[in-house]
Amino acid sequence: AQTVTQSQPEMSVQEAETVTLSCTYDTSESDYYLFWYKQPPSRQMILVIRQEAYKQQNATENRFSVNFQKAAKSFSLKISDSQLGDAAMYFCAYRSRHTGANSKLTFGKGITLSVRP
Amino acid sequence: EPEVTQTPSHQVTQMGQEVILRCVPISNHLYFYWYRQILGQKVEFLVSFYNNEISEKSEIFDDQFSVERPDGSNFTLKIRSTKLEDSAMYFCASSANAGSIQETQYFGPGTRLLVL
Repeated sequence: AQTVTQSQPEMSVQEAETVTLSCTYDTSESDYYLFWYKQPPSRQMILVIRQEAYKQQNATENRFSVNFQKAAKSFSLKISDSQLGDAAMYFCAYRSRHTGANSKLTFGKGITLSVRP
Repeated sequence: EPEVTQTPSHQVTQMGQEVILRCVPISNHLYFYWYRQILGQKVEFLVSFYNNEISEKSEIFDDQFSVERPDGSNFTLKIRSTKLEDSAMYFCASSANAGSIQETQYFGPGTRLLVL
């Protein structure tokens, strides 16, 4: 079974600064997807960024980028130029790369990010 | 932008009572999911649903749980006889395609269930 670990329960960043959120995972599979979801206080969970394991290039999405280290099974999220609206709970998630309906997400425990003005 | 909606936002019930949590997935989506998050713990997968049947379920999803898509728009999770340990936030999600990286699971805002 796959597991996802987010060991930092909370982090804080100064507005306009950069912060990195850590995530590690464990799997015996070689092909999978990794995601970061954001859950602001309004509670709707929103996809921030995703990474295919077979791609060596790190995914980027505007101010959000990942550092994907497949051998180390590490998938960290970097937020550049942090904004007040980035304050939220961030979840790292894993999904096996199977076709059909076996597409459940396995989540980490989440990390609460606060942004200081 | 279309979104997943869930009702109610909060539900308080007595132990042993039945509850039905409702979700309206995004209209052209075909795959539906329920997850739950006990306070302070991880978001956990409960069940996935496609073509009017369960595709996969976790060990949490025992005989007390059932899902249904009664009318082509709603997707419900029923807990037949609630236990104290069922208290959690329940998230519904839907996706257009389960097998492609293009698929994204879109989540609803959740229903906070409290069993007394």
